[in-house]
Amino acid sequence: RKEVEQDPGPFNVPEGATVAFNCTYSNSASQSFFWYRQDCRKEPKLLMSVYSSGNEDGRFTAQLNRASQYISLLIRDSKLSDSATYLCVVNIMYSSASKIIFGSGTRLSIRP
Amino acid sequence: DTEVTQTPKHLVMGMTNKKSLKCEQHMGHRAMYWYKQKAKKPPELMFVYSYEKLSINESVPSRFSPECPNSSLLNLHLHALQPEDSALYLCASSQESSLGAEAFFGQGTRLTVV
Repeated sequence: RKEVEQDPGPFNVPEGATVAFNCTYSNSASQSFFWYRQDCRKEPKLLMSVYSSGNEDGRFTAQLNRASQYISLLIRDSKLSDSATYLCVVNIMYSSASKIIFGSGTRLSIRP
Repeated sequence: DTEVTQTPKHLVMGMTNKKSLKCEQHMGHRAMYWYKQKAKKPPELMFVYSYEKLSINESVPSRFSPECPNSSLLNLHLHALQPEDSALYLCASSQESSLGAEAFFGQGTRLTVV
């Protein structure tokens, strides 16, 4: 079983739509959680960290459920510029160091 | 300065060549990472350095040899690569491995093995 699983999509939605991405993780040693965004042929960039209390940054809302080992990202009022691959990322603590592990990514296309 | 700098941006090498990828950060981060990314796939972790020591090797073939000369620099030495090693190689850094902090990525080196 993969350590971080995501719906690969693709999601193709009209501008202004609300879209939700889900992610599950399997390792209980996971200590921190993030959503990254990656544009075509570019490096991944941090979109937001994810906290148990839920957090919001403008049109983006992230949620973490530790009991269910489930992470979500909600994008409201989507813009053309939101088109990208969204990667669920988990930091897993091991004895010597921690690993930052990526989900498979969900591709989002916003159409005019 | 929240930048991770990787050189070169592009590299074409033959299967008998030896080359090195370089990564530099000046954020005072003590954890540094190498990832490999193939087209339409997520980044796959290769190595983790914590306080300049190799902490995690994800069973990477020995034709890839990492080196951390100091806290700001991370190299990846390449020797006798195969065409299937062609990929985007990403370097990342984070504050400290044990803190669970986010990672900052360089722009990557796009490697082609011919």
